[in-house]
Amino acid sequence: DTGVSQNPRHKITKRGQNVTFRCDPISEHNRLYWYRQTLGQGPEFLTYFQNEAQLEKSRLLSDRFSAERPKGSFSTLEIQRTEQGDSAMYLCASSLAGTGGHTYEQYFGPGTRLTVT
Amino acid sequence: DAKTTQPNSMESNEEEPVHLPCNHSTISGTDYIHWYRQLPSQGPEYVIHGLTSNVNNRMASLAIAEDRKSSTLILHRATLRDAAVYYCILRPYRDDKIIFGKGTRLHILP
Repeated sequence: DTGVSQNPRHKITKRGQNVTFRCDPISEHNRLYWYRQTLGQGPEFLTYFQNEAQLEKSRLLSDRFSAERPKGSFSTLEIQRTEQGDSAMYLCASSLAGTGGHTYEQYFGPGTRLTVT
Repeated sequence: DAKTTQPNSMESNEEEPVHLPCNHSTISGTDYIHWYRQLPSQGPEYVIHGLTSNVNNRMASLAIAEDRKSSTLILHRATLRDAAVYYCILRPYRDDKIIFGKGTRLHILP
């Protein structure tokens, strides 16, 4: 257990439905990241926050995807009008913000597996 | 983004050392070399990172070539629990996102 929790762990939904995932990071971490991983591939970066500010979004993050971190603590990732291609593992990670020349390691949660039927 | 090249898979015997290679010929001077691993059905976990000098921690050692165009992750005594996908990653200075490749799937034989 890394201290990063994600809920739900599994979600099955029908195409066209909306889904929302939650990530609770390690409490003192001000950076929070979302990644997506499909079978046989490494995780792909989607977006990240520093506190409540969303600092970067990948081109992979279509208009149907939205992420929030309203109070700089937990985060939600919503997918609207799901498509079968959205089926994947959605991973959340947290870290301290890098300062000077230091980059901090990211701690990953167990992921939410989404299946769109 | 700078890219890394790793073998798709490797095998090793339990209780023997494992050397996982990574080539990164286009590395820039400010890129850190990071290694993460992903155990089955889990999220990735940090293993080790370095810039120029070799690094050791409780999990592994990282040997970095003098020209920094390659590196090797060393597990000193593999256990069955070390069976995982190992990712070699270049992280530019102050770039916080991680760009993962496909990694090396390490199989440990009992």
